[in-house]
Amino acid sequence: EIVLTQSPATLSLSPGESATLSCRASQSVRKYLNWYHQKPGQAPRLVIYDASIRATGIPDTFSGSGYGTDFTLTISSVQSEDFGVYYCQQRDAWPPGAFGRGTRVDVK
Amino acid sequence: EVQLVESGGGLAQPGGSLRLSCVTSGYNIITLGMNWVRQAPGKGLEWISFIGSSGVTVYYADSVRGRFRISRDIAKNSFYLELDGLTAEDTAVYYCARDQILDYWGPGTLVTVSS
Repeated sequence: EIVLTQSPATLSLSPGESATLSCRASQSVRKYLNWYHQKPGQAPRLVIYDASIRATGIPDTFSGSGYGTDFTLTISSVQSEDFGVYYCQQRDAWPPGAFGRGTRVDVK
Repeated sequence: EVQLVESGGGLAQPGGSLRLSCVTSGYNIITLGMNWVRQAPGKGLEWISFIGSSGVTVYYADSVRGRFRISRDIAKNSFYLELDGLTAEDTAVYYCARDQILDYWGPGTLVTVSS
């Protein structure tokens, strides 16, 4: 099973600052890495799929990059609605197995 | 507009059973697979099951294999997850999420296992 390791565990930011989240896979997943955002009490929402493609309705302040084992989600200017927990998941090997353990983005 | 809505959660006794439903709208369910993902209180996301677009291919996480069963009803645009042999560790919000990209999620249904 592919293990996804997310870092940091927590990121404390002020609105307007940039955020860089990392997801590392235990083996290559090529480009097939997705990012999800979850706010408290809500279902997760797809943010980025296949490493770099923004999902419908996601603003261009979000960008994804990476290939193989190392992936990055960048938020160029964090807004209040962007706080919450971000999870990564791979779909190169199906079934997908475990999500990453998440990075919490909270207000400094 | 694609929508997914789960139902069927509630309180179950240890060893008991529940049947969760995921009613969909806005697309043809024979074209895409469906996942079930759960989240225990205060914990992260756990993928637990997938049914492919054919309705034949199914997968389960080790934690639920042999106790949970995924299925679908094309006529009702619905997916199901039957939960048997429930334990306290199955207490969670259960989400259905579409296809391998998990591009649409339902709001979730809470399953609580307690005596």
